[in-house]
Amino acid sequence: GAVVSQHPSRVICKSGTSVKIECRSLDFQATTMFWYRQFPKQSLMLMATSNEGSKATYEQGVEKDKFLINHASLTLSTLTVTSAHPEDSSFYICSEQGESTDTQYFGPGTRLTVL
Amino acid sequence: AQSVAQPEDQVNVAEGNPLTVKCTYSVSGNPYLFWYVQYPNRGLQFLLKYITGDNLVKGSYGFEAEFNKSQTSFHLKKPSALVSDSALYFCAVRDRNFNKFYFGSGTKLNVKP
Repeated sequence: GAVVSQHPSRVICKSGTSVKIECRSLDFQATTMFWYRQFPKQSLMLMATSNEGSKATYEQGVEKDKFLINHASLTLSTLTVTSAHPEDSSFYICSEQGESTDTQYFGPGTRLTVL
Repeated sequence: AQSVAQPEDQVNVAEGNPLTVKCTYSVSGNPYLFWYVQYPNRGLQFLLKYITGDNLVKGSYGFEAEFNKSQTSFHLKKPSALVSDSALYFCAVRDRNFNKFYFGSGTKLNVKP
């Protein structure tokens, strides 16, 4: 399967600061990437779909101005949590899906803790 | 509405015994079906998928799953469980017409020595 990396794996920040999480496709060009959020002992919640070269599509209830997504190249998508608050603390996971594949492959996740 | 149900929050099994993790779905049309495994503080790892063809699908680490269209189920199975199989398992479906996955709530598998 495809290899996806995320950086950082863990980040702690102060309330009010912004945090950028990178998601990289290491072995093929991903036209579509997805960003999920996972709360403890819960399933994945899709936040947005990121398409290379165009604006991300956000799920209902997800603030696009708070969770900025950029997919500037076929191998990199970034999620920036702006003006972070403690309730933004969560596990964020990205996944990729190429044009010719029907499967999503996931990154290792980023644990965000906002103090 | 599309949905995926994993009726068991937790499954306990002794090492060496067969295991089953259940999944049922409600998706219009003929969906793609997937199983993923998640270890603590890690992303999801792809195990197997059903797209078309044989109802019994074999995947990684000795796992298999059986697609049952009449029961709209896609249960994950393994003939002989290992302690290292202990993890969180997610069933997912994808509507063939839309590029979106729907995940179940997850089932924690505990394999005891």
